Amino acid sequence: QQPVQSPQAVILREGEDAVINCSSSKALYSVHWYRQKHGEAPVFLMILLKGGEQKGHEKISASFNEKKQQSSLYLTASQLSYSGTYFCGTPFGNEKLTFGTGTRLTIIP
Amino acid sequence: NAGVTQTPKFRILKIGQSMTLQCTQDMNHNYMYWYRQDPGMGLKLIYYSVGAGITDKGEVPNGYNVSRSTTEDFPLRLELAAPSQTSVYFCASSYLPQGNTEAFFGQGTRLTVV
Repeated sequence: QQPVQSPQAVILREGEDAVINCSSSKALYSVHWYRQKHGEAPVFLMILLKGGEQKGHEKISASFNEKKQQSSLYLTASQLSYSGTYFCGTPFGNEKLTFGTGTRLTIIP
Repeated sequence: NAGVTQTPKFRILKIGQSMTLQCTQDMNHNYMYWYRQDPGMGLKLIYYSVGAGITDKGEVPNGYNVSRSTTEDFPLRLELAAPSQTSVYFCASSYLPQGNTEAFFGQGTRLTVV
């Protein structure tokens, strides 16, 4: 089952904050976040495991609430380089991920 | 290290033609994956492999075939190309099962079927 991401798109001015949400209809043991810049390959940001721990990558952090089967990605003081499409991925079996449809983030100066 | 390398980067096929998308990785990863990404959409898993000689279907395997004769290479074969196969194809690899670790993606192959 594909995770659901919200919002589908967001436009920010440089320096503003954003939250991207990812929810699943099934129990999760991990959530993965990737960023894809236009015309490029997806790049791994972070993985969150059961336990609710937060992770960080630059000024991007994330949380994982396994009881609610949700994860949120927090982008703080956004920079132009944060533009791209963010995908969450949830395990499907052990060997593979199912990706959400993505959240397109546009940062304007 | 080159990471995950895909060839070709672009290709135009006529309906009914066949082709092989090449993928090779130099990280000694056991796990390899093929995804397709349609415009504005997420990644859909076509096939994956957990090691040389072992492959399995993903979400959208119809119209494709794979083989894994070596750890490094995981080619994707398109038989009888159809317009519905117009997409960007990404190959990825990981050291552990993808549910537990990061995956490294190639730069993609943009395929147009006309």
